[in-house]
Amino acid sequence: DAGVIQSPRHEVTEMGQEVTLRCKPISGHNSLFWYRQTMMRGLELLIYFNNNVPIDDSGMPEDRFSAKMPNASFSTLKIQPSEPRDSAVYFCASREGRGGQPQHFGDGTRLSIL
Amino acid sequence: DQQVKQNSPSLSVQEGRISILNCDYTNSMFDYFLWYKKYPAEGPTFLISISSIKDKNEDGRFTVFLNKSAKHLSLHIVPSQPGDSAVYFCAASAPRSGDKLTFGTGTRLAVRP
Repeated sequence: DAGVIQSPRHEVTEMGQEVTLRCKPISGHNSLFWYRQTMMRGLELLIYFNNNVPIDDSGMPEDRFSAKMPNASFSTLKIQPSEPRDSAVYFCASREGRGGQPQHFGDGTRLSIL
Repeated sequence: DQQVKQNSPSLSVQEGRISILNCDYTNSMFDYFLWYKKYPAEGPTFLISISSIKDKNEDGRFTVFLNKSAKHLSLHIVPSQPGDSAVYFCAASAPRSGDKLTFGTGTRLAVRP
């Protein structure tokens, strides 16, 4: 079975540029999560969706960050404009049902902003 | 405010011996706990979970123990194998927090052959 698919796996770009990260959740999963992992803060939740609707975006660091889920099989996380401090590994995860079910993670996008 | 803490950043164990990874939490509302394993350049993989109504859950070589009064949980791996070498994350969720998981900072386990 295909797991959570993220693209690109690596992204290197110059500050000020727009960055778009993509995620395809596991088919049938109704919750989707975006995380950021850094050395300083560990794994932190940015935003999550339930049935394509954003439920909690309190972890989104700034207005430069936005996320969408236009349908059940696709989500994007956009940073515009990007800054060097946005450099991190960004993970997407999905889950079926509510509570009591584990989240399944993609392999992440390693983002480097120069 | 680190609600889930893994105070040992690393652990080294001999192959065949027991590995014990620890996790402490501060939020008494947490009612569900999970352990994830992460290899380099991969996403975290779910390992085992436990509900707050239990104090132990076992799955093969992996056992999670929960001590609610101490707000402490631990993951035991017996016997440890070199393939278990990875970073282990503890995570917790609370009712009415939606589907949010709060993660610890991870413990890097190295199993020596």
